[in-house]
Amino acid sequence: HVQLVESGGGLVKAGGSLTLSCEASGFSFSDYYMRWIRQAPGKGLEWVSYISSSNNYRDYADSVKGRFTISRDNSKNSLSLQMDSLRVEDTAVYYCARDQLYCAGTTCYHYFDQWGRGTLVTVSS
Amino acid sequence: SYGLTQPSSVSLSPGQTATITCSGDAFPKQYGFWYQQKPGQAPLLVIYRDNLRPSGIPERFSGSTSGTTVTLTIRGVQAEDEADYYCQSADSSGASVVFGGGTKLTVL
Repeated sequence: HVQLVESGGGLVKAGGSLTLSCEASGFSFSDYYMRWIRQAPGKGLEWVSYISSSNNYRDYADSVKGRFTISRDNSKNSLSLQMDSLRVEDTAVYYCARDQLYCAGTTCYHYFDQWGRGTLVTVSS
Repeated sequence: SYGLTQPSSVSLSPGQTATITCSGDAFPKQYGFWYQQKPGQAPLLVIYRDNLRPSGIPERFSGSTSGTTVTLTIRGVQAEDEADYYCQSADSSGASVVFGGGTKLTVL
């Protein structure tokens, strides 16, 4: 039974920092890319960052580039998101998701087949 | 930046067929994926690679593609299907994942 459990959300002032964690179980964590996806209150989904299975590649949405850092520890089945210089517009529920990378020939496609329940980050002014 | 366009809302009665479209210039080069999100819950994958259903998803959910549009169809919609539905794909290069704005399905 796949489980993804996020933690670390909370209330922080603009300019502050927060670290989110995601504990994974029920699957071979080290075999999968992982991604953080967020959802502002009443809004749609926005990918934030992802990291490759072997920890050697990561990418960020332009909205968080230079402020957020994704990391993983395959020995502990855990994923993290260090968020610095937080802004009011970073307020959202942050989901940890398993990135089901599918490749056909030279083209690869990302989609998300398992999600955690999310953790709320509120950034006040 | 690249975007996917969905209708903001769809309303229908139980037993009817719901069709939710998602338009984007990168289709059909890129696959379409669909997620269901009920209030207070995480998204749930209901269709992947245009028309495949994950295990546990009812057969009344199906996906299709035509030109620059992918479509989620729910046949015989039930009250429990009331939710927000998001399409997801990538830009033509595949470098960046993108979500549609979401469609609120209301079952009257």
